[in-house]
Amino acid sequence: ETGVTQSPTHLIKTRGQQVTLRCSSQSGHNTVSWYQQALGQGPQFIFQYYREEENGRGNFPPRFSGLQFPNYSSELNVNALELDDSALYLCASSLDSGNYGYTFGSGTRLTVV
Amino acid sequence: AQSVTQLDSQVPVFEEAPVELRCNYSSSVSVYLFWYVQYPNQGLQLLLKYLSGSTLVESINGFEAEFNKSQTSFHLRKPSVHISDTAEYFCAVESGADGLTFGKGTHLIIQP
Repeated sequence: ETGVTQSPTHLIKTRGQQVTLRCSSQSGHNTVSWYQQALGQGPQFIFQYYREEENGRGNFPPRFSGLQFPNYSSELNVNALELDDSALYLCASSLDSGNYGYTFGSGTRLTVV
Repeated sequence: AQSVTQLDSQVPVFEEAPVELRCNYSSSVSVYLFWYVQYPNQGLQLLLKYLSGSTLVESINGFEAEFNKSQTSFHLRKPSVHISDTAEYFCAVESGADGLTFGKGTHLIIQP
């Protein structure tokens, strides 16, 4: 059974640009969620997708958007990047909203300059 | 709304000594509780979880946590720590489609 894989592992962008981060869910998982982890902080919930529909969202502005595909892989898109968007972005997959635990990827380290 | 408080940002302990990492939560609905561990430059690994049933849950590497509903706590314990346990530990609560709400983390430092 494969785990959760994220790409790229590191990324540097300029303020105002747009970025797309990708995630492949663990085999058999139908739910994917994204988290932002600033340095020295716990992860913050961005949103969650269940069977290609967004079914939960944290306190993040609309410039954070996402997609989940039929094979349950996912993208996180961030428009108009700000310096404060610099963080580790974690993707997690689960079966049916995480009652059985979430499996996390190793993350994408985004630096905005 | 739910929240998680990890009372210690850093816990130093000598190798082979016991340790307790404290976690308190607040939630208006039934919750599921988790402990995750994060090693440097890595993602989060599930350590253990409480969904229902027995209030004492154990992991395969010697950690255990006890769900205490009256005190709204889910403290993590290990009777004897090793150097390899050095990591950041996160307590989290989950309720439906609101994802996981994490505490700020506790850095466990094992001293030889």
